[in-house]
Amino acid sequence: AQTVTQSQPEMSVQEAETVTLSCTYDTSESNYYLFWYKQPPSRQMILVIRQEAYKQQNATENRFSVNFQKAAKSFSLKISDSQLGDTAMYFCAFMGGIYGGSQGNLIFGKGTKLSVKP
Amino acid sequence: DVKVTQSSRYLVKRTGEKVFLECVQDMDHENMFWYRQDPGLGLRLIYFSYDVKMKEKGDIPEGYSVSREKKERFSLILESASTNQTSMYLCASSSKVHTFGSGTRLTVV
Repeated sequence: AQTVTQSQPEMSVQEAETVTLSCTYDTSESNYYLFWYKQPPSRQMILVIRQEAYKQQNATENRFSVNFQKAAKSFSLKISDSQLGDTAMYFCAFMGGIYGGSQGNLIFGKGTKLSVKP
Repeated sequence: DVKVTQSSRYLVKRTGEKVFLECVQDMDHENMFWYRQDPGLGLRLIYFSYDVKMKEKGDIPEGYSVSREKKERFSLILESASTNQTSMYLCASSSKVHTFGSGTRLTVV
């Protein structure tokens, strides 16, 4: 069974600095998808970034980028120029490919609570 | 703007009550999901549905059932609410990417 591990329950960063959130996963599949979701105090889950495993290029979305290491099964999120609005819970999630029998559900890590300090 | 709407933001119910949590999506997605979120545990899948009247158990289905009579609506049912079902419940619909509702915080007293 696939698992997702986020080893940092809480982190803090100063405004304008860079922070990296860690995520590792375990799977025997070769084709899958990885996600980072953000959940601010409003509770709305917001997609931050998505990575397809067969793409070697790391995904980026403005200040957010990932370091995808497929062999190491690692998928870290880097937030550059941190802003107060980045304060949130961040969840790493895995979705298997259809050939692995996935029905499209997400498997989540336990989350990292990020606080951005002024 | 695409939406997943959960009917209640907060609910307080008594032990033994039958509880319905409603979720409606306007994206014509076939796949819909119910997750439960607890501190320190992340999100765990309760049930999902890939078509009208079709449902599959997730990782923690015990004490729950679901109903999907129309494509846009996916209901989570607690047949007899218990205090250990006090939690945050998140609905999502998906094509390739999950879109989540804003969650229902349920307290069972």
